Amino acid sequence: AQSVTQLGSHVSVSEGALVLLRCNYSSSVPPYLFWYVQYPKQVRQLLLKYTSAATLGIGINGFEAEFKKSETSFHLSKPSAHMSDAAEYFCAVALWGNEKLTFGTGTRLTIIP
Amino acid sequence: NAGVTQTPKFQVLKTGQSMTLQCAQDMNHEYMSWYRQDPGMGLRLIHYSVGAGITDQGEVPNGYNVSRSTTEDFPLRLLSAAPSQTSVYFCASSSDSGSTYNEQFFGPGTRLTVL
Repeated sequence: AQSVTQLGSHVSVSEGALVLLRCNYSSSVPPYLFWYVQYPKQVRQLLLKYTSAATLGIGINGFEAEFKKSETSFHLSKPSAHMSDAAEYFCAVALWGNEKLTFGTGTRLTIIP
Repeated sequence: NAGVTQTPKFQVLKTGQSMTLQCAQDMNHEYMSWYRQDPGMGLRLIHYSVGAGITDQGEVPNGYNVSRSTTEDFPLRLLSAAPSQTSVYFCASSSDSGSTYNEQFFGPGTRLTVL
């Protein structure tokens, strides 16, 4: 079984500041890891997907996520926040051969001008 | 492409009523699924389908039925609505059969209230 925990249901950062959204997972085997994003008035869409042996997943709009096996974490970051990054972000995990994509509860990111 | 479409956007039902939530996709995706989202919880998988004529239960299937007669459509039926089914329902599709680890394309959701 797998589970996902997102720390912080609401995060606010100033425009130009570092964005860091935290995600921890539990899984008995190496999982596939995802970040999805839902911008205002849009549908949920894939931001990035991590499936390789490398530690970094590269996503759209300058986001990246670092996989740390020892910490079972997959935190999402962006060096400099933009107003257009305001959205709700969801971490998700899937296991190969398991028809279940497990989502976290989401983090709503607000950008302060 | 319209992507994944869902109808209706909003629905209010009385306890015991039945209804069908519609989901359609025009991307020729084999894999389709239904989720519900409740406050403070992540999406929970209700039912899924890996192709026309094939469906299976997810995490929270009780009270819901599905069928998949075509690749494009995957309706979700509530047989006898209960207040516990008040939720936002999302349909999603993916290009490969049995691939939740491929990109999921989501619909806009249906907000259902059961009184």
